[in-house]
Amino acid sequence: DIQMTQSPSSLSASVGDRVTITCQASHDIRNFLNWYQQKPGKAPKFLIYDASSLDTGVPSRFSGSGSGTHFNFTINNLQPEDSATYYCQQYDNLRWTFGQGTKVEIK
Amino acid sequence: QLHMQESGSGLVKPSQTLSLTCAVSGGSISSGGYTWSWIRQPPGKGLEWIGYIYYSGSSYYNQSLKSRVTISVDRSKNQFSLKLNSVTAADTAVYYCARGFGSGPQDWGPGTLVTVSS
Repeated sequence: DIQMTQSPSSLSASVGDRVTITCQASHDIRNFLNWYQQKPGKAPKFLIYDASSLDTGVPSRFSGSGSGTHFNFTINNLQPEDSATYYCQQYDNLRWTFGQGTKVEIK
Repeated sequence: QLHMQESGSGLVKPSQTLSLTCAVSGGSISSGGYTWSWIRQPPGKGLEWIGYIYYSGSSYYNQSLKSRVTISVDRSKNQFSLKLNSVTAADTAVYYCARGFGSGPQDWGPGTLVTVSS
């Protein structure tokens, strides 16, 4: 099975900051990667697919990049409502795996 | 607008079978191309994919759970179901159903907490 390693596990940043989360795959997954946002007590929300394409209605301050085994997720101009846990998820070979999650807190 | 709602027993005894149903409204479960999936999240922990099924009936499961899991579709009721047998305390989690594609879940239900305890 493909393993996904996310880092950091948590971070704290100020409003207006730029934050970056990394996701590393144990095998080459091309660009078969999604990103999700989850707020406490809520279901995850789909943000980005194919590593870098924003889902409809997702603010442009969110972005994704990468291919192969190394991927980044960036929030530019961090907003208070961005406080959440973010997960990567790979979909190579018909099986899915989630990363462990990164908790983003606002200072 | 698509709406999905999980239902089932919130308390299951160890060694018994966990059964959940996801009712789908605002869309047909027979629509081509979609996957209907189950994902779970133990309290305070991350997301774990359980499995998914296509409208055609083809299904794919997490290898670590495969021997205990069955996902099925009931087109007449526009719903799909999860059965997980021989449960232990480690199966205590919030269980989510979701619609998506082979690439992953996109539209999620609100989730339902299932506790395994005697």
